[in-house]
Amino acid sequence: AQSVTQLGSHVSVSEGALVLLRCNYSSSVPPYLFWYVQYPNQGLQLLLKYTSAATLVKGINGFEAEFKKSETSFHLTKPSAHMSDAAEYFCAVRLLYGQNFVFGPGTRLSVLP
Amino acid sequence: EAGVTQFPSHSVIEKGQTVTLRCDPISGHDNLYWYRRVMGKEIKFLLHFVKESKQDESGMPNNRFLAERTGGTYSTLKVQPAELEDSGVYFCASSRGQNQETQYFGPGTRLLVL
Repeated sequence: AQSVTQLGSHVSVSEGALVLLRCNYSSSVPPYLFWYVQYPNQGLQLLLKYTSAATLVKGINGFEAEFKKSETSFHLTKPSAHMSDAAEYFCAVRLLYGQNFVFGPGTRLSVLP
Repeated sequence: EAGVTQFPSHSVIEKGQTVTLRCDPISGHDNLYWYRRVMGKEIKFLLHFVKESKQDESGMPNNRFLAERTGGTYSTLKVQPAELEDSGVYFCASSRGQNQETQYFGPGTRLLVL
């Protein structure tokens, strides 16, 4: 069975600092990988996705993630945090020929002034 | 293009009552999914419709949950009778195609069972 782990349920960074949110997956076949963000009182919004093309994926709002098969990781980064990045971030995987997402537990990002 | 909408946004009911949640997917999206996030836990898949047919309902917790998608447009998720452990946020998502196709999520319905 697939599973997704996100290291750190809460991450705090200072405004302007690097954001690094970790995601590791377990899957017997290379999956599709996604990062979603949920702002307060809103639905999940797609940040970026990996679908077996380039391993470095650029998303919206300056975020990017790198697929590392050897490490079974898909960590999310942003060079400089902004106050508006405060939200909850979810990593999700989907099997190549499957349909359903398996989500990680989420990481809540706080950005300190 | 309107996004996925869900109604109601919040619902507070007593144990034993019935609640019906509604999801309107993006127009033209054949695939509709229901997910649930129980407090403090991860978002979990409930079921998947392709048009009006249930493609996968392996995530439905028990027979107190009934999902329908008559006519292949909007979907309802009924919980009858509701139990305390049903409290959580219920998300609906839709997508046009399969596999890597992006799923677009609604804002969720926050259900509290007292």
